[in-house]
Amino acid sequence: DSGVTQTPKHLITATGQRVTLRCSPRSGDLSVYWYQQSLDQGLQFLIQYYNGEERAKGNILERFSAQQFPDLHSELNLSSLELGDSALYFCASSPRHDLDTQYFGPGTRLTVL
Amino acid sequence: EDQVTQSPEALRLQEGESSSLNCSYTVSGLRGLFWYRQDPGKGPEFLFTLYSAGEEKEKERLKATLTKKESFLHITAPKPEDSATYLCAVQGVKGYQKVTFGTGTKLQVIP
Repeated sequence: DSGVTQTPKHLITATGQRVTLRCSPRSGDLSVYWYQQSLDQGLQFLIQYYNGEERAKGNILERFSAQQFPDLHSELNLSSLELGDSALYFCASSPRHDLDTQYFGPGTRLTVL
Repeated sequence: EDQVTQSPEALRLQEGESSSLNCSYTVSGLRGLFWYRQDPGKGPEFLFTLYSAGEEKEKERLKATLTKKESFLHITAPKPEDSATYLCAVQGVKGYQKVTFGTGTKLQVIP
């Protein structure tokens, strides 16, 4: 158990809908990272937050947004969902803003029908 | 753009049969290279971070090495519980915090 929690574990929804994925980092970790993992593309870095502020952006679509709250939990919002958004979404946390060891959560499996 | 290529895509070993996994990378200034282990349907589990050519790290039956162009994950006398997908990732000096992952090597160790 990495200490990172993600909810929900599974999510099934329809095209055009909006969903919110939640992540709680390990106790004391200030950075949260979001990744998307699909069968054909592997792990893709989406976005990083550090202590409430956006720190870095990767291959995140404009339909996707994220935020980190004062209690350091983070939410990833996915809107206008398409079939291709079906994937595993992972959250990871680390103690500092610069990348060292990342601890991954168990993931949320999103299925868009 | 940073690139990571892992080979082979899949590897099947007999228990006790040592082998190596390869991670070739292209990055404009390496800040760190990372190895993870991922079991099916689970999040990646951190194994090692390597920062400079010549660096080596070991953990149980695993040893990671780094050169200027590639990294190897050596598995000595593997056991069935070592079966997993092994992921390599790099972070460059540019593109601050962006981590690029390879597609992984799926290892199966047969008793």
